[in-house]
Amino acid sequence: DVKVTQSSRYLVKRTGEKVFLECVQDMDHENMFWYRQDPGLGLRLIYFSYDVKMKEKGDIPEGYSVSREKKERFSLILESASTNQTSMYLCASSFGEGGELFFGEGSRLTVL
Amino acid sequence: GDSVTQMEGPVTLSEEAFLTINCTYTATGYPSLFWYVQYPGEGLQLLLKATKADDKGSNKGFEATYRKETTSFHLEKGSVQVSDSAVYFCALSDDSGAGSYQLTFGKGTKLSVIP
Repeated sequence: DVKVTQSSRYLVKRTGEKVFLECVQDMDHENMFWYRQDPGLGLRLIYFSYDVKMKEKGDIPEGYSVSREKKERFSLILESASTNQTSMYLCASSFGEGGELFFGEGSRLTVL
Repeated sequence: GDSVTQMEGPVTLSEEAFLTINCTYTATGYPSLFWYVQYPGEGLQLLLKATKADDKGSNKGFEATYRKETTSFHLEKGSVQVSDSAVYFCALSDDSGAGSYQLTFGKGTKLSVIP
């Protein structure tokens, strides 16, 4: 069975803290994505990566960075967390063209 | 840019009722179209897809037909069950130009089915 695993289901952090969200996939997919999900706004793409060490900005990259040192792992970094980054974060991966995404279960981040 | 518009929710239906969730899109190329479903407490999973005009995607009793002339991909099911209660997302895939295909999602429609 294909699997995308996000390291934490729930996190609570304080304003100004550095936050790491980790995502690992076991399907040898080239493409990996980070979305955030907010009520009434749906899913918005933060960053994506189509190869190791490659990254591309999505629609809302401000306040975030990413790292992809290995093919199977894609990390989302909040350098200095703010309350408006309280959200559900979804990682996904896909293989080549075609666009079918496989999602992790999500990481719900609360910034106080 | 590409965009997806789907009907606002929430939608509440009785068991065995007919379901339609409308989805229309705007895209410059020839996108593939998808419906994803998110059950409570879970990530999204693919429900069905269609890759070209007039294709019909189907799965678990759900169907959607890719209509290029109306730029639509409406989701339908003839008889919903309580277990269909979830959030449904319409999405399209287009070449990002960077060699990968990213999805553009609608805002989601929450469906609640009551016994």
